[in-house]
Amino acid sequence: GDSVTQKEGLVTLTEGLPVMLNCTYQTIYSNAFLFWYVHYLNESPRLLLKSSTDNKRTEHQGFHATLHKSSSSFHLQKSSAQLSDSALYYCALSDLWVGDNSKLIWGLGTSLVVNP
Amino acid sequence: DPKIIQKPKYLVAVTGSEKILICEQYLGHNAMYWYRQSAKKPLEFMFSYSYQKLMDNQTASSRFQPQSSKKNHLDLQITALKPDDSATYFCASSQERGIQDTQYFGPGTRLLVL
Repeated sequence: GDSVTQKEGLVTLTEGLPVMLNCTYQTIYSNAFLFWYVHYLNESPRLLLKSSTDNKRTEHQGFHATLHKSSSSFHLQKSSAQLSDSALYYCALSDLWVGDNSKLIWGLGTSLVVNP
Repeated sequence: DPKIIQKPKYLVAVTGSEKILICEQYLGHNAMYWYRQSAKKPLEFMFSYSYQKLMDNQTASSRFQPQSSKKNHLDLQITALKPDDSATYFCASSQERGIQDTQYFGPGTRLLVL
């Protein structure tokens, strides 16, 4: 069945270093959407970025991700981590499920901790 | 003005009791969801509704019952509460359940069961 894998449960790095959070997925549907949601402590999860276009870079708030259908990946990157980036990051896959309705499949999340 | 309202913000309950978590969205969305996040665990999908109909239920226990009295309401009734039910419960909504639809989350209800 469909699935999303975020292999790192925790990523710890120093401020200023690049960020890369891994996300791979499995689906039989060629037009699936991939999402990154961010969940800051004591806030609600919110959308960071999303894409369904193969090999197109999507950017928002300094983060970027490129959907690569050939490798079923949608890794989240940022050139320079900031302390305020510390949060839980969820990768999610949306594809057709029943009729025109979709189902969002969530990864287990990666906790990013940025240290001074 | 908040677009998704969850009430109460904090809730303390005793084991065995019953509580109802309230969610109202004013985004004009047709799909609503419940999620749970227990301490140090990832977000866990519970239910999805579309046009007030249950679409998906990933909650094993029948103690959790969503209730949709209006299109923009999706409450969550929890019976026979257990300490393991302690978590933050997030309500979310999306325009439709389309493949590209973004889910918007409410502020959450933090439940503590003693």
